[in-house]
Amino acid sequence: GAGVSQTPSNKVTEKGKYVELRCDPISGHTALYWYRQSLGQGPEFLIYFQGTGAADDSGLPNDRFFAVRPEGSVSTLKIQRTERGDSAVYLCASSLSGTSSTGELFFGEGSRLTVL
Amino acid sequence: AQSVTQLGSHVSVSEGALVLLRCNYSSSVPPYLFWYVQYPNKGLQLLLKYTSAATLVKGINGFEAEFKKSETSFHLTKPSAHMSDAAEYFCAVILGGTYKYIFGTGTRLKVLA
Repeated sequence: GAGVSQTPSNKVTEKGKYVELRCDPISGHTALYWYRQSLGQGPEFLIYFQGTGAADDSGLPNDRFFAVRPEGSVSTLKIQRTERGDSAVYLCASSLSGTSSTGELFFGEGSRLTVL
Repeated sequence: AQSVTQLGSHVSVSEGALVLLRCNYSSSVPPYLFWYVQYPNKGLQLLLKYTSAATLVKGINGFEAEFKKSETSFHLTKPSAHMSDAAEYFCAVILGGTYKYIFGTGTRLKVLA
């Protein structure tokens, strides 16, 4: 497709389980971002990839969260031992180049995670 | 560190009335500023951006915003609201040469018939 694709769109899991959320960015976009949006809040930065490497993971809340982008395209956000506080919409965005700070971010529709 | 503050988490206007959504930024250097719109169950979409060129920026769907350095503001306006404008609007800031966008908490716009 032409846009950023995120799967699953909805995920319900139990506390303590492992979850993977996938993002397929726009073809040719080297920069990829993960944001988390809690209810009533704006998107909060989690991690930024430039190509295959995580250039900045300072927004990841703790070591239960991890993200990869092995081939510089698709990215997976991984959450271990999920907690109820992890419930949120996880947004993925891509842009042509992260170093072009005036560039537009293109967002996916998000993956809504609910931890019971 | 830079940040943005959006005044009013909910704004209601009548169809045809002026839309004004407020955004103030905090930055030690001139930032780049953005407005994004989020329709229900959709991804965020760029409305407009300020990148140190013209201070009055025109975006899609008839929206515009004016960068006012003296007031550290970047308010979003539209002369005449349409029912289809009902959505959540986010202001965002980024420093030149960086990549970390900082978003406000959002303003949900309701348009009354």
